[in-house]
Amino acid sequence: NAGVMQNPRHLVRRRGQEARLRCSPMKGHSHVYWYRQLPEEGLKFMVYLQKENIIDESGMPKERFSAEFPKEGPSILRIQQVVRGDSAAYFCASSPYPDRNEQFFGPGTRLTVL
Amino acid sequence: DAKTTQPPSMDCAEGRAANLPCNHSTISGNEYVYWYRQIHSQGPQYIIHGLKNNETNEMASLIITEDRKSSTLILPHATLRDTAVYYCIVRVEGSQGNLIFGKGTKLSVKP
Repeated sequence: NAGVMQNPRHLVRRRGQEARLRCSPMKGHSHVYWYRQLPEEGLKFMVYLQKENIIDESGMPKERFSAEFPKEGPSILRIQQVVRGDSAAYFCASSPYPDRNEQFFGPGTRLTVL
Repeated sequence: DAKTTQPPSMDCAEGRAANLPCNHSTISGNEYVYWYRQIHSQGPQYIIHGLKNNETNEMASLIITEDRKSSTLILPHATLRDTAVYYCIVRVEGSQGNLIFGKGTKLSVKP
């Protein structure tokens, strides 16, 4: 059973470009969480999604950031018009049930904005 | 969710037990204690969780005080690969949503 997969592992963008980060949860998991980790800081929650629904986006910046988890395919975290401050590691986690706090994390995508 | 307090860093000799403390003096009766760790540049990894009884699995043991105001994660025979940041999180098990990560304890296992 493959773990949570994220791609790309490393992504370089210039200021103003768009970044798309993909997350494939573990098989059978329908709950996905995105976290961001700025350099030398702890993980911060961004958004919680179930299939086709955003459940909690209280940690998402109000502008430029969006997330989806379609019925088919991976979850996508999209950052429009990236700025240098968006440089960070973005981790995705999945769980099989909404009330389980045992979340399984992917290896992360490291975004560098030049 | 209750707040936790952990020492920022600890050292441990390879092969010895690593005991990582966590204070959660405002924990509620239905909140569990969870431990995760993050090895450098990797995604966090679940270790163990418990309510009030001591718990043990293949990775670690969790000792929770009788008043539940503090707990200790024990790695019985630390190896160099256990060097990581360890996070103590308290949360109601039935609640859905995100985990709240504090600053954790940076454990350095030395040869």
